[in-house]
Amino acid sequence: GQNIDQPTEMTATEGAIVQINCTYQTSGFNGLFWYQQHAGEAPTFLSYNVLDGLEEKGRFSSFLSRSKGYSYLLLKELQMKDSASYLCAVLDSNYQLIWGAGTKLIIKP
Amino acid sequence: IAGITQAPTSQILAAGRRMTLRCTQDMRHNAMYWYRQDLGLGLRLIHYSNTAGTTGKGEVPDGYSVSRANTDDFPLTLASAVPSQTSVYFCASSPGTSGSSYNEQFFGPGTRLTVL
Repeated sequence: GQNIDQPTEMTATEGAIVQINCTYQTSGFNGLFWYQQHAGEAPTFLSYNVLDGLEEKGRFSSFLSRSKGYSYLLLKELQMKDSASYLCAVLDSNYQLIWGAGTKLIIKP
Repeated sequence: IAGITQAPTSQILAAGRRMTLRCTQDMRHNAMYWYRQDLGLGLRLIHYSNTAGTTGKGEVPDGYSVSRANTDDFPLTLASAVPSQTSVYFCASSPGTSGSSYNEQFFGPGTRLTVL
């Protein structure tokens, strides 16, 4: 079966750095997405990785290792507005997105 | 410019009733999707459409039907609602077909449906 694992919840301090991990086992791989979802709102796109390595976009970076079936999202200089759920999703061999359950990130002052 | 709109925002429905959730996008995207999101579970794909006139089944299609008569609209129908269909429903669209590697999906605001 297809499986995407993320921690259910993480807590971090304002101004700090946090890394949210995602491991996946899917039938094929055509890219990995990270989305942010604030409570009661729709998911919004953060990043896309298809090749191994680190993609940096402002305070957010995303890393991929295809051989390990592993990705992480790195958030720097945390702000209170970063409190949200972070969803990892993999595009499988049928080009369908398989979604993880999401990681709820709580930022404390 | 609205992007993707969904209606209604929320609905309470009696079991056995028929209900259509509406979704409209103005971005001329080829592909559209319907997901349900339940607490503790990831987004689960119900149905999708690669282009107007075509539809396909996702992971959890039972009890739901869709149509894609034109590019902009992708309604989701529950023929006879059951309590297990209580969920938040998101419609999404993407520029390419589902055969494209980079295919960012844009989401509507969601419909919160309660079936009693």
